[in-house]
Amino acid sequence: QSVLTQPPSVSGAPGQRVTISCTGSSSNIGAGYDVHWYQQLPGTAPKLLIYGNSNRPSGVPDRFSGSKSGTSASLAITGLQAEDEADYYCQSYDSSLSALFGGGTKLTVL
Amino acid sequence: QVQLQESGPGLVKPSQTLSLTCTVSGGSISSGGYYWSWIRQHPGKGLEWIGYIYYSGSTYYNPSLKSRVTISVDTSKNQFSLKLSSVTAADTAVYYCARAPESQLAFSWGQGTLVTVSS
Repeated sequence: QSVLTQPPSVSGAPGQRVTISCTGSSSNIGAGYDVHWYQQLPGTAPKLLIYGNSNRPSGVPDRFSGSKSGTSASLAITGLQAEDEADYYCQSYDSSLSALFGGGTKLTVL
Repeated sequence: QVQLQESGPGLVKPSQTLSLTCTVSGGSISSGGYYWSWIRQHPGKGLEWIGYIYYSGSTYYNPSLKSRVTISVDTSKNQFSLKLSSVTAADTAVYYCARAPESQLAFSWGQGTLVTVSS
């Protein structure tokens, strides 16, 4: 059971917009700690997609965006492409600096 | 660009100690500013943080694994290591080493290595 809750799966057609939620608590996200997002393509290591709630590392398309409010965060993907089909994980931490991961969301591009 | 590479046995017997090393290239562990971490992923499952170490030697462990985990750093070799004792089949996973800036704790990952616990 993950401390951060994500939907197990989401899906969308090419070109559409999808969002993935990440719900925490007052001990982690709600305490003001940053949320980061990772994309894991099949058979590969996770890749940092969004850091510090809403910042994109160099090379990440602006189709990917992140936001945070209260005890939750969201990842939005616009202009969905087949290559976006992957698992997505949110990550935050708590006051003891323990890193916390969401359970992951499998994105299917229809 | 900093790269991380995991190495170690791919097969460990139950009750033994799993030992992995992460070699860092393109940057120095001793320059500070980063937490050096181990994270694992059970087959077909999500990500589980194991712990991290700062270059000074300060360590932070997942409370659920703390009694069995030791993470250490060798700045002379630019490596950090994981030891997980008393392993069982439940410790079979892909083990990733990663680093995170101390200002953000967002991870950049190695490619991962599969460790199977089996007799």
